[in-house]
Amino acid sequence: DTGVSQDPRHKITKRGQNVTFRCDPISEHNRLYWYRQTLGQGPEFLTYFQNEAQLEKSRLLSDRFSAERPKGSFSTLEIQRTEQGDSAMYLCASSPAPALNSPLHFGNGTRLTVT
Amino acid sequence: GESVGLHLPTLSVQEGDNSIINCAYSNSASDYFIWYKQESGKGPQFIIDIRSNMDKRQGQRVTVLLNKTVKHLSLQIAATQPGDSAVYFCAESSGYSTLTFGKGTMLLVSP
Repeated sequence: DTGVSQDPRHKITKRGQNVTFRCDPISEHNRLYWYRQTLGQGPEFLTYFQNEAQLEKSRLLSDRFSAERPKGSFSTLEIQRTEQGDSAMYLCASSPAPALNSPLHFGNGTRLTVT
Repeated sequence: GESVGLHLPTLSVQEGDNSIINCAYSNSASDYFIWYKQESGKGPQFIIDIRSNMDKRQGQRVTVLLNKTVKHLSLQIAATQPGDSAVYFCAESSGYSTLTFGKGTMLLVSP
């Protein structure tokens, strides 16, 4: 399978715990994106990388959230001191660069439940 | 399984009918538009895209229409099949901005 891969698929954690998600993009894609989606809503942008550089962060990305892409390949999204409001589907997507506009290819997400 | 369709506008059609899903966008500077299909428990799947220098683009069984005057985008699905049942999202971007998604429409296809 050469699509975007996310791990884990599901994560249940207690409030206050830290969680980390991993995304492996399509191998030839330079751009990697994180989105968050709650039930009944469209995905909301969180942040994106071009290679290892984090180029944009949404205001939704509080200081409890941090994303990295150290070698320009896979990325991790960490949430510290989780809150119940963090419960959502976290989606990763990738796209080729330097195309100005091109479709994002999404993984199947990590479903986070904070109890 | 979970549903991504709670509180979403819903379009119900019979198998074999043509479906039209509409989307209004607000940013007049948007110049790139995409339709995604999302099945329960999965990530959005790319269907078709269109740039603002076009008003129509066709794919396999799908057509996207763009009306920049009224900032309206539509997705037409010909001969709708039960496998087309999903939530459909439009998304837009302008220049180098990231994609912004709309709220989605649930399509239900009965056999």
